[in-house]
Amino acid sequence: DAGITQSPRHKVTETGTPVTLRCHQTENHRYMYWYRQDPGHGLRLIHYSYGVKDTDKGEVSDGYSVSRSKTEDFLLTLESATSSQTSVYFCAISEHRLRSAHFGGYTFGSGTRLTVV
Amino acid sequence: GDSVTQMEGPVTLSEEAFLTINCTYTATGYPSLFWYVQYPGEGLQLLLKATKADDKGSNKGFEATYRKETTSFHLEKGSVQVSDSAVYFCALSPPFTNFGNEKLTFGTGTRLTIIP
Repeated sequence: DAGITQSPRHKVTETGTPVTLRCHQTENHRYMYWYRQDPGHGLRLIHYSYGVKDTDKGEVSDGYSVSRSKTEDFLLTLESATSSQTSVYFCAISEHRLRSAHFGGYTFGSGTRLTVV
Repeated sequence: GDSVTQMEGPVTLSEEAFLTINCTYTATGYPSLFWYVQYPGEGLQLLLKATKADDKGSNKGFEATYRKETTSFHLEKGSVQVSDSAVYFCALSPPFTNFGNEKLTFGTGTRLTIIP
């Protein structure tokens, strides 16, 4: 599905360097999310956005920041990467519930595998 | 807060076996419930959903029934195939009570392997 794309797909970076991951959508969905996936933890929410310039923290937001200057783009930045941030990062989008009778769930990107060495 | 508890994996079955993956939840009110599937190297895909008690979600031969009395949403399939090998995630979304309250809470996932 081309509705949501993540870049890069793979990245290796050194401890202490800044890293930015990009999520781009063509669905004009209001909500965008960043999750990380780690063995034994499932998916954990890092940050989410409910509109342009409107963002909020998730359960594991320490060490991460986000920005959303356009509806279609949601950026995740690791200000100073650490080895504990080695993970697979997923972006997701969703429609606003008022646009449909029930919440339909998320559409996920293919993920970014980040390794911090 | 809301939480989802999934059957621990990994689960290994022979082709054509019956599958059950257990999922129970803790939430106030009537959340919406989901099953997502993740194939190797890919993102999660919505498999099925149910939005109210006693609803049955179904897709690709998989089924799950929203049981309010047992707070469960177990995933079942009558005859699994090798192509069903994947990681399965149970998730919930809170009832619509607040503007913007759309966040999903996921279980830890269950890895399923089907052997020929």
